[in-house]
Amino acid sequence: QVQLMQSGAEVRRPGASVKVSCKASGYTFTDYYIHWVRQAPGQGLEWMGWINPNSGGTKYAQKFQGRVTMTRDTSISTAYMELNRLTSDDTALYYCARDLPPVVGDSNWYDPWGQGTQVTVSS
Amino acid sequence: DIQMTQSPSSLSASVGDRVTITCRASQSIGSYLNWYQQKLGEAPKLLIYAASSLQRVVPPRFSGSGSGTDFTLTISSLQPEDFATYYCQQSSRTPPSFGQGTKLEIK
Repeated sequence: QVQLMQSGAEVRRPGASVKVSCKASGYTFTDYYIHWVRQAPGQGLEWMGWINPNSGGTKYAQKFQGRVTMTRDTSISTAYMELNRLTSDDTALYYCARDLPPVVGDSNWYDPWGQGTQVTVSS
Repeated sequence: DIQMTQSPSSLSASVGDRVTITCRASQSIGSYLNWYQQKLGEAPKLLIYAASSLQRVVPPRFSGSGSGTDFTLTISSLQPEDFATYYCQQSSRTPPSFGQGTKLEIK
């Protein structure tokens, strides 16, 4: 079945970087975009950006421009999201999610989602 | 950016009740509206896409309607497994944005 499996929880100091992985299975990795969405404790969902695994093209939310990098390794069907210059406000659950190539805007709908990766930023 | 506002923010209901959750967009988004269910400790799960299309394996007691700026998610007869938080999401304009969520609790 279609599945996205994310890497495990991370703890970082303020100012550090974190890289989260998202391994796809059950479908052709390059046929669908991967989006990243985060959820701060007790909060709603915030879109961070997408990567096109076929071309490697990316688009990031303005809020994260200059601080986030999304990459992929097609040989192992894995997408990555790296976030730099972490602050306590970046403490959140980070999800990857699959989407068809967008027709309008930057997304269609997300299905499925990875299980989430907890990133904790603390001194 | 398009703001998505859900109402109510929380709702208490009983098994068997009919429940409606509303989502309003700050500008017209056509039918580019999706609904997700998130249970505690789990990732969101797609229920409805393009305002009214039911995702595969989602029970038919769930339905969506609306277009433009006003949308609804209806659960026709609540089941114990439906108690969760529900989010709407617009995919019309960049950036994609979500409502703040509606927490559905057992009365």
